[in-house]
Amino acid sequence: KQEVTQIPAALSVPEGENLVLNCSFTDSAIYNLQWFRQDPGKGLTSLLLIQSSQREQTSGRLNASLDKSSGRSTLYIAASQPGDSATYLCAVKTGAGNMLTFGGGTRLMVKP
Amino acid sequence: GAVVSQHPSRVICKSGTSVKIECRSLDFQATTMFWYRQFPKQSLMLMATSNEGSKATYEQGVEKDKFLINHASLTLSTLTVTSAHPEDSSFYICSVPPAGAQGVKNIQYFGAGTRLSVL
Repeated sequence: KQEVTQIPAALSVPEGENLVLNCSFTDSAIYNLQWFRQDPGKGLTSLLLIQSSQREQTSGRLNASLDKSSGRSTLYIAASQPGDSATYLCAVKTGAGNMLTFGGGTRLMVKP
Repeated sequence: GAVVSQHPSRVICKSGTSVKIECRSLDFQATTMFWYRQFPKQSLMLMATSNEGSKATYEQGVEKDKFLINHASLTLSTLTVTSAHPEDSSFYICSVPPAGAQGVKNIQYFGAGTRLSVL
């Protein structure tokens, strides 16, 4: 059974810092990995999707990498801003069923 | 614009009542939809897979008689929380996987979620 772990569970940084969020998964036979942002009490916003054959994806100040063989992904946020404060979730798609297995999330607070 | 529409966004009800949540796929037909639940400060956990025209598939530990799922059309799935109790208070969110042979490679779309509070 796939298990997804995110470290750290919470992170507080001053504005402007570059930061890295970590995601690990136990079953490397994944189709893809997706990073989401969730604001308090809100739904999910998809940030980046990395296919199993890819190493990384970039969108603006966000860069996500994938090392499938070691079961790890990182989300790099450059020059963090207070507006980046949210919970970041990683999720993997394993098997043909299309459902996602989510990590516990990292609650990020960027202080002005 | 939104690909998945979920209603209502917020429900407050008395213990013992039933609550229906709708999930609509706006841009494409979906033979499958997923229902997730998220307790405060926890991650999303898959509850069930909604299958158009057939019975839903429930994850271990999810009571099928408690959480009724109906997927009557290719664009609509409903989740009914029957005889809701305070412990059912949670954030419920649906998702629609992309369709087609290449769908497994694509982004999965989520509704905005429904926050259920049972008094």
